[in-house]
Amino acid sequence: AQKVTQAQTEISVVEKEDVTLDCVYETRDTTYYLFWYKQPPSGELVFLIRRNSFDEQNEISGRYSWNFQKSTSSFNFTITASQVVDSAVYFCALSEAPAWDKLSFGAGTTVTVRA
Amino acid sequence: DVKVTQSSRYLVKRTGEKVFLECVQDMDHENMFWYRQDPGLGLRLIYFSYDVKMKEKGDIPEGYSVSREKKERFSLILESASTNQTSMYLCASSLTGGQEETQYFGPGTRLLVL
Repeated sequence: AQKVTQAQTEISVVEKEDVTLDCVYETRDTTYYLFWYKQPPSGELVFLIRRNSFDEQNEISGRYSWNFQKSTSSFNFTITASQVVDSAVYFCALSEAPAWDKLSFGAGTTVTVRA
Repeated sequence: DVKVTQSSRYLVKRTGEKVFLECVQDMDHENMFWYRQDPGLGLRLIYFSYDVKMKEKGDIPEGYSVSREKKERFSLILESASTNQTSMYLCASSLTGGQEETQYFGPGTRLLVL
């Protein structure tokens, strides 16, 4: 069974629009980690954020923000005032005990920002 | 900055060939990983290694093997390439195993098996 679901396959927006990427995860553990990675056209996955299950505070980093809600098992990612450089595939991933290194990735969401 | 490099960005091989994909990291990381990425499936772990000469199977090890003779280098081997191994292969490394670790990825190798 898929542990991480990214229901949106593709999202297309015009520059300066906000875009929210959904991530729903499934785990029985109380301690786990959630990640977001960005994969630009160059191919290399770029780490964006890691969040542990005990920290439900929302996080903001520049134009990026993350909304973690344990009640709905979601870890959504919002890009505010999108730019063309935000065009990429975005992956959500889950890490659980005891195999912390075994990341379970979602299928990814392709974001296209049009000028 | 962590640097993970992969020997080829694009590779075209014939069915039945033995294929080597090389990955090198320059940050003295203990752990290294090989994933394949397919549309609609995200990344799936093939093999990983916690130390030199050590390897662990991931979720989809069938048809693959790995080699880690030096700490900085982790090779993925397709003993007899098949068309269903056409994919994007991504290598990653992390400093140590553990809850707080982050994996850093290379640029990927797009393999086409004809």
